[in-house]
Amino acid sequence: DTEVTQTPKHLVMGMTNKKSLKCEQHMGHRAMYWYKQKAKKPPELMFVYSYEKLSINESVPSRFSPECPNSSLLNLHLHALQPEDSALYLCASSQVGSGRRGEQFFGPGTRLTVL
Amino acid sequence: GENVEQHPSTLSVQEGDSAVIKCTYSDSASNYFPWYKQELGKRPQLIIDIRSNVGEKKDQRIAVTLNKTAKHFSLHITETQPEDSAVYFCAASIGGFGNEKLTFGTGTRLTIIP
Repeated sequence: DTEVTQTPKHLVMGMTNKKSLKCEQHMGHRAMYWYKQKAKKPPELMFVYSYEKLSINESVPSRFSPECPNSSLLNLHLHALQPEDSALYLCASSQVGSGRRGEQFFGPGTRLTVL
Repeated sequence: GENVEQHPSTLSVQEGDSAVIKCTYSDSASNYFPWYKQELGKRPQLIIDIRSNVGEKKDQRIAVTLNKTAKHFSLHITETQPEDSAVYFCAASIGGFGNEKLTFGTGTRLTIIP
């Protein structure tokens, strides 16, 4: 399996809802990433997990809560979001190890709409 | 932190002609420079990348050049085809272990005119 998968493809939620985004890869990659992408903008890094531990948090509001339960799975828990959080949420993964260049493979994304 | 600038923001070329997209970066420690292609509604896909110990890399119709002294790198697409129409993002990172942050450029919307 050489792909990163994400579920759901689309999500509509109210500002008081709690929902989760899921990402999965079976390429043996030990780094996983969450990005947020607004229309006509580049992906914006949110979190990096390396060996299932959070290694980078780009000052993301606490209403976004990441979780890496094992080396193949990455979740993003959402609570009390704002309409401006509506965006495409992309997951990515990469191999890690000395000498790695960090080639990141992206999932298809979850298109989130907050009402 | 790293800052990556990308130009032009939009580019239209006749089918069969060449397209060139340019990026500059600010951090001289950056050593890994990938290029991603993103079609409308699709995921970003890596099309080519280069490390700072190499000046040029080619893969069929796509090539990337890197000038470390000037801190800029470019994507060259030759013999363009309609399926090359997409948004292209350059990026830079200080690599070495594989889990480093990628800083993206602002993107170039390439349109191939049949």
